[in-house]
Amino acid sequence: GAVVSQHPSWVICKSGTSVKIECRSLDFQATTMFWYRQFPKQSLMLMATSNEGSKATYEQGVEKDKFLINHASLTLSTLTVTSAHPEDSSFYICSATGGNSYEQYFGPGTRLTVT
Amino acid sequence: KNEVEQSPQNLTAQEGEFITINCSYSVGISALHWLQQHPGGGIVSLFMLSSGKKKHGRLIATINIQEKHSSLHITASHPRDSAVYICAVNSGGYQKVTFGTGTKLQVIP
Repeated sequence: GAVVSQHPSWVICKSGTSVKIECRSLDFQATTMFWYRQFPKQSLMLMATSNEGSKATYEQGVEKDKFLINHASLTLSTLTVTSAHPEDSSFYICSATGGNSYEQYFGPGTRLTVT
Repeated sequence: KNEVEQSPQNLTAQEGEFITINCSYSVGISALHWLQQHPGGGIVSLFMLSSGKKKHGRLIATINIQEKHSSLHITASHPRDSAVYICAVNSGGYQKVTFGTGTKLQVIP
């Protein structure tokens, strides 16, 4: 199956700094990428949907100025958590779709800890 | 009521046992995913299916579209199978994914 990678797999940063998470489709062109967040012992929740070359569509309650999403190419989307706070500590997962819109491939996730 | 329900929420099994995890959903779907999440958090896609049955090693996934139900089976379970198993469905214009709350499996040696 298609492969989606994320980098880094875990990151620790200090409050007030920004951190960038990358999501790459390794062997297919991802027309759409999705970013999810998982709080402890809860389901994954969709944060935003990004299409290559377009602005991301954010879910209700997600601050677009805090969680900056860029999908500049068909193989790379980035999520930047700006001015991170400890409550931003979470597990962030991306997924990607290619030609068939229902075939979503999930990345392994990135654990962010803000101290 | 959640759109995707999994059962059981927690499952403890002895090594070697046959394990079944169930997923029921209430919406029309285009595909169903089974994901595995290890204690460190990493997600692994196990299966994506829209009909019938798929098998990979000791894992088998089935789906019944009419009954809106899917099962994940693990044969000859092993402690390394201990993880959270998550069912997710594509619905609502196909790209929207709704996740179940997961089934935490512990396999004891």
